[in-house]
Amino acid sequence: SQELEQSPQSLIVQEGKNLTINCTSSKTLYGLYWYKQKYGEGLIFLMMLQKGGEEKSHEKITAKLDEKKQQSSLHITASQPSHAGIYLCGADRGNNDMRFGAGTRLTVKP
Amino acid sequence: NAGVTQTPKFQVLKTGQSMTLQCAQDMNHEYMSWYRQDPGMGLRLIHYSVGAGITDQGEVPNGYNVSRSTTEDFPLRLLSAAPSQTSVYFCASSPWGGANTEAFFGQGTRLTVV
Repeated sequence: SQELEQSPQSLIVQEGKNLTINCTSSKTLYGLYWYKQKYGEGLIFLMMLQKGGEEKSHEKITAKLDEKKQQSSLHITASQPSHAGIYLCGADRGNNDMRFGAGTRLTVKP
Repeated sequence: NAGVTQTPKFQVLKTGQSMTLQCAQDMNHEYMSWYRQDPGMGLRLIHYSVGAGITDQGEVPNGYNVSRSTTEDFPLRLLSAAPSQTSVYFCASSPWGGANTEAFFGQGTRLTVV
């Protein structure tokens, strides 16, 4: 199994609906990152969380790192077609070694 | 501002051939890394470098070599390509490695080994 498990693997929502993507680590997280990848392109940085309980928002996307620092959630409010893509969580193992989850593929239907 | 530039975008190799994937960044970043992305596997770290002249292995280094002679460039070499190396390869850079920093990714190189 992977060190970072993302759920769900894929998600189809109607435009305007809210959604949540989860990332669970088998180890304590020293830093948790969320990236978005548009199909066939590179990754774009969304947010970085470091402290347990930390929550950050950017436009309609909110990410939170739980108190025990082993799980993070990404919440999108009032989804739009522009939110479609693959969302990946990444974590620093503490020695310059970044690990990523397998990704969650989001489709937003107009 | 170019950011991270990868070349080529697409490549088809025959088994046993060698090639170099190029990666260059113009942000004066110390940390550079190579990942491969396979369906259902996410991104897996191949090699990384914390500065010119310093490289280290990541999660899946076998079959790949790297060097870092300058801050700007971090090429990835496949010495003898195998079908298992068919993948999408991403290069990334950041001001420093580890926590507290955003990574900038290239657009990827889609490699097929036949």
